[in-house]
Amino acid sequence: QKEVEQNSGPLSVPEGAIASLNCTYSDRGSQSFFWYRQYSGKSPELIMSIYSNGDKEDGRFTAQLNKASQYVSLLIRDSQPSDSATYLCAVKISGGYNKLIFGAGTRLAVHP
Amino acid sequence: ETGVTQSPTHLIKTRGQQVTLRCSSQSGHNTVSWYQQALGQGPQFIFQYYREEENGRGNFPPRFSGLQFPNYSSELNVNALELDDSALYLCASNPGGGRLNEQFFGPGTRLTVL
Repeated sequence: QKEVEQNSGPLSVPEGAIASLNCTYSDRGSQSFFWYRQYSGKSPELIMSIYSNGDKEDGRFTAQLNKASQYVSLLIRDSQPSDSATYLCAVKISGGYNKLIFGAGTRLAVHP
Repeated sequence: ETGVTQSPTHLIKTRGQQVTLRCSSQSGHNTVSWYQQALGQGPQFIFQYYREEENGRGNFPPRFSGLQFPNYSSELNVNALELDDSALYLCASNPGGGRLNEQFFGPGTRLTVL
C-alpha cells in the first residue's frame, strides 16, 4: 500500500477556475503536511505547509487538512496558465527525524 | 530562491563507476536531506544528516553514502552505479526554528547512467 497517494492527472481546468488537488496518507501519526510545486525540469518548490485540521490560506492557495480522514487538499483559486505544473503532496513521518514521504504528484494543466 | 546550491547540474556516468554530488545550504541550516527522484515519481528519501551525523536513512543500499561537513555543506556518494540510479538527485535543508519541518530543495543534479 502506497503511503501517500495522489491522482496522477492530468487535471485540466480553464483559466480563472478553481483547481482542486487531493492527497491521502496512511500514517495516522503524521502531523506535518506540505504541498510542493514542480515545473518540468525543475526542482520542487514549497508552496504550502499545514499542521492543524482546517483551512490555511495564502494568496490564491488554500490548503485543507482532515486528520481523521487522513486527507489533505490544495485549492488554487483564479488558476493561471503559469500554475501549470506537477503538484506534490508530502507528509512528514511520525516521530524521529525529518523524513518526508511524497506522492507521485498530480499534473495540472490550466488552459486559456 | 532557496539558497541551496548543488553541483554539478548534469552528470553522465557508466555502469560500475562512482559519483560524488555536492550540496551547500544557507548558513545556519544544520540539517540536510538527500532525495532521489526518478522520472514521473515523487522524491524518495535517501538519508538525512544533522550536525555531521547521519540520523535517518531510507530504503537505499549501503553503496549510497554521505557526508556533512562543519560548514554544513554535504556530499552524496554512489558506488557501483547501476542503470536504475539514473534520476534527479535533490538536496534539501531545514531553516530550523519555527519552520523546523519545512524543507527547501536545491536545483538538483540530473544523473544519467549508461
